[in-house]
Formats: sequence, C-alpha cells, structure tokens
Amino acid sequence: GENVEQHPSTLSVQEGDSAVIKCTYSDSASNYFPWYKQELGKGPQLIIDIRSNVGEKKDQRIAVTLNKTAKHFSLHITETQPEDSAVYFCAASIPSTLTFGKGTMLLVSP
Amino acid sequence: NAGVMQNPRHLVRRRGQEARLRCSPMKGHSHVYWYRQLPEEGLKFMVYLQKENIIDESGMPKERFSAEFPKEGPSILRIQQVVRGDSAAYFCASSSDRGGYTEAFFGQGTRLTVV
Repeated sequence: GENVEQHPSTLSVQEGDSAVIKCTYSDSASNYFPWYKQELGKGPQLIIDIRSNVGEKKDQRIAVTLNKTAKHFSLHITETQPEDSAVYFCAASIPSTLTFGKGTMLLVSP
Repeated sequence: NAGVMQNPRHLVRRRGQEARLRCSPMKGHSHVYWYRQLPEEGLKFMVYLQKENIIDESGMPKERFSAEFPKEGPSILRIQQVVRGDSAAYFCASSSDRGGYTEAFFGQGTRLTVV
C-alpha cells in the first residue's frame, strides 16, 4: 500500500518567516495530494490540494509543489502569522483511499 | 450546506460498555472514512464505507470494532466492550470522488474516554 513520510515533525519559526513542510510518497498511482490543518481540539481542515497533472498551486500565503518523478510534494507558507500555528498533515490519494503523513507541528512565535 | 457532522463530541464509557459513534456525511457524499487519532499522533485509517457496503476495513481491529453505513441514516462506528486503550479521538471524513479525486472533508471528531 501507499506510504507517506512527512518532515519535519516539529517546526518553529518567527512571525513573518516562511515555513516549508515536505512529504514523500511511495505509490506512483497516487494522483491527488491534499494538505490539512488541524487546530487543537478540532478536526482536520482541508487547506490546499494539488492534482498529479499540476506542478504548483498557490492560494494567497500558501503554496504546494509536486514533483512526480521524485515522488515528493511540499507545503510552503509565507509571511507566517501566529494563527498559522497548528498541526499540518499531508496525504496522498489513489481514488477512494487517503494515506496521511504523521503530521508537522508548526509553532509561529510573535 | 452543512459539513460533516459527528456526534457525540465527547463520550465517556466505563470499561466493558459499548460506544456508538455517529457520522453524517456532507450532502451529496456517498463515501465515508473513519480514522483514529491518539494524542500527538497522526491519523490512522480504520475503515472505508460506501452506502450499505464496507469497501476497506484493513485498519480496523478484528475484534470488538464494527462499522456500518446504512441506506438511510448516519454511518456508525461501534466499539464493544471498550478498554482503556480505545480512548482516542475518532474522526469521520466524507467524499464524493467526483472526477476521480478523493477530496475528503472531516468532522470535528468524537473524543472517547474509557474510565
């Protein structure tokens, strides 16, 4: 089955800095790569996603890149703010399955 | 359009009792996934269901756990004879697989505490 590795497990940045979270996947059949943000006590929230026919996607301060050859994808957050502090999960999907990474706790200090 | 609804949000059970967790998918979604999350850990897949069918239950313990998604009504995750190790947050997600992509949305979870 699919295996998703996510790094780092913890990331601390100063407000205004950029944050990058990286994931690798194993199954070349995966065609959809969502990112979720989970705040304390809440369910994961879909924040951005990318499909296998696209190399990069941007939505305001967040962007995701995908390298299908290398089987890795990354989340980039620019101009971080304290409210960006949360756990971020990447996932890789073959239709009807979602495999998650173990998560990255992002801490943004004012 | 309401999101994925899970209830109860918090559930306390004594060892040996049964826990029933409910999940109503988003309108128009016919696929439901259940995940378990232990404190400071990731999301562990348990089971994937479509209406009236279990598609993949490879992540679900063989004993005491069962899931259903009937033609009418919410999906139910049932844990019989609960033990302390069952204490966790259980999340449900739903998707439509429209266009062949599994765009899944999560509920707020049910936090089960076994005392």
